[in-house]
Amino acid sequence: EAGVVQSPRYKIIEKKQPVAFWCNPISGHNTLYWYRQNLGQGPELLIRYENEEAVDDSQLPKDRFSAERLKGVDSTLKIQPAELGDSAVYLCASSLAKKRGALTRNTGELFFGEGSRLTVL
Amino acid sequence: QQQVKQSPQSLIVQKGGISIINCAYENTAFDYFPWYQQFPGKGPALLIAIRPDVSEKKEGRFTISFNKSAKQFSLHIMDSQPGDSATYFCAPYSGGGADGLTFGKGTHLIIQP
Repeated sequence: EAGVVQSPRYKIIEKKQPVAFWCNPISGHNTLYWYRQNLGQGPELLIRYENEEAVDDSQLPKDRFSAERLKGVDSTLKIQPAELGDSAVYLCASSLAKKRGALTRNTGELFFGEGSRLTVL
Repeated sequence: QQQVKQSPQSLIVQKGGISIINCAYENTAFDYFPWYQQFPGKGPALLIAIRPDVSEKKEGRFTISFNKSAKQFSLHIMDSQPGDSATYFCAPYSGGGADGLTFGKGTHLIIQP
């Protein structure tokens, strides 16, 4: 079974330029997450999707960051324009949420891709 | 992300020794307590996890100890090996809530041969 696939693995851009990252989650996983990981730190959640709906984007800097998951499968994270402080690893993860009666509960196990390392010069 | 406090920040252990990493949390709604392992250039991967209905879970050389009243859980690595050298994150989770995983800041573990 293929894991979470991210591209590109590495990206170097000048500040003020746009950049986009792509993620294809594990087949059948309805929950998708984008995290940002700064050097020496833990991942920080940017946005979480349940199918195609963004259910938690409170940490996404909406002035320059945008994300979409149009068909509830793969997702794109965009930064425009990039700033020096955006240099980080952008991680995509997916997980499976299961319905238990009227509730939908996530399993809690996230599967991460290898990340996209962004360097802004 | 003050909800999760992980310690120590770094740890050096001799091969064959016991590595212990601790995680304290605040949110009593958390109901899933995993530890993730991350190697350089890779994404985190689930190592071991525990639900709050048990106080300990062991998988091979890895053990989670959970103290609900103290709101703490820890990772014990027995007979630590150089291949265990990695960064470890606790990431307690509320499956029914609005939270994604809340990661600790990580513990950089080095196992000296």
